[in-house]
Amino acid sequence: NAGVTQTPKFQVLKTGQSMTLQCAQDMNHNSMYWYRQDPGMGLRLIYYSASEGTTDKGEVPNGYNVSRLNKREFSLRLESAAPSQTSVYFCASSEPPRGDKFFGPGTRLTVL
Amino acid sequence: AQSVSQHNHHVILSEAASLELGCNYSYGGTVNLFWYVQYPGQHLQLLLKYFSGDPLVKGIKGFEAEFIKSKFSFNLRKPSVQWSDTAEYFCAVNARGSTLGRLYFGRGTQLTVWP
Repeated sequence: NAGVTQTPKFQVLKTGQSMTLQCAQDMNHNSMYWYRQDPGMGLRLIYYSASEGTTDKGEVPNGYNVSRLNKREFSLRLESAAPSQTSVYFCASSEPPRGDKFFGPGTRLTVL
Repeated sequence: AQSVSQHNHHVILSEAASLELGCNYSYGGTVNLFWYVQYPGQHLQLLLKYFSGDPLVKGIKGFEAEFIKSKFSFNLRKPSVQWSDTAEYFCAVNARGSTLGRLYFGRGTQLTVWP
């Protein structure tokens, strides 16, 4: 099992460009999450999907959209990137109601 | 809403020193508690977790944590740290029975161990 995979690993964008971060899990988990990690801020939840076909906003959803394409895949889209979105993005999955999450390797995004 | 506080932002120790990282949470209901570790350049890995039962839980690599319900605390301990324990440590909590499984993280504690 690969666990949780993310692509790309690194990305540099110019302000105003768009891109989609991809995430897939092979553990048959119902729930998937997108977090961003910034120095001194810990992990903050952007969006989550409790099950296939549902998505909900987390703590910091502004500037992002998500798609739960199927049970395996959960993508995060930046429509018009801003420097404030420079961060490391982690995808995670779990099987509620247990809280332990499995995290992907992360995507390091820089917006110039 | 739940929140998690980690008291130390950066802890510096020498090898063989003992470690205790503080974590407190605010939530009125029953919770599941976690400690995650992030080694330099890597993703988060689960160190240990508490769901119920014995409040003293043991995790990987000699780490343990004690849940003290009356203090809303879940402090992480290790009797003797090693250089390889240099990493960032995150405490996290979620409401037990939550169908959403949302996890709330503390801001993290950077541990640096000098050889």
